[in-house]
Amino acid sequence: SQQGEEDPQALSIQEGENATMNCSYKTSINNLQWYRQNSGRGLVHLILIRSNEREKHSGRLRVTLDTSKKSSSLLITASRAADTASYFCAPLQDTGNQFYFGTGTSLTVIP
Amino acid sequence: EAEVAQSPRYKITEKSQAVAFWCDPISGHATLYWYRQILGQGPELLVQFQDESVVDDSQLPKDRFSAERLKGVDSTLKIQPAELGDSAMYLCASSLRRDRLSNEQYFGPGTRLTVT
Repeated sequence: SQQGEEDPQALSIQEGENATMNCSYKTSINNLQWYRQNSGRGLVHLILIRSNEREKHSGRLRVTLDTSKKSSSLLITASRAADTASYFCAPLQDTGNQFYFGTGTSLTVIP
Repeated sequence: EAEVAQSPRYKITEKSQAVAFWCDPISGHATLYWYRQILGQGPELLVQFQDESVVDDSQLPKDRFSAERLKGVDSTLKIQPAELGDSAMYLCASSLRRDRLSNEQYFGPGTRLTVT
């Protein structure tokens, strides 16, 4: 399936540091989205990057996409305790309309 | 800001009983999704609706699960009979556009199901 695979599975950093998490996928995509999930809550959309884009910014978030390597990265700069959450990538394959989420990266930001 | 509504937020049921979840998507959103999320894992798509039609239910265990969106607005997901392995968070999401280019999904708060 076109499941996104996030890496690392868990990440723990100090407040103020940057956090980087990666996503790999297997087949060609139309776009790739990143979502955040706070404990026990629904997912929140963070950012969408299209297959013809290489980098995108939104506030403290920076997303890159390398279609030749079938990978994406999410960088959170100047992390805050409130960024503690699980982060999921969701690649949308070229055909179809379904997202396949991976197991996510669990980020802990220590105050 | 418009939100996806789900009820109930929590449900405890005994195995072999029937259980139903309700979702009201953001007004005007044509596409509705039901996901199941087991603790520690990512959401798994169960069924996707475009208006009132099912466009993907390949991962829905049809022997016990059913879903409907009769008027193309709100939706109900039912499990009958519930099994212990059905304990999970059930998430509903909706998206506005019919095309694939900008189908950002908006998620509800989920229903936490515990089967005893």
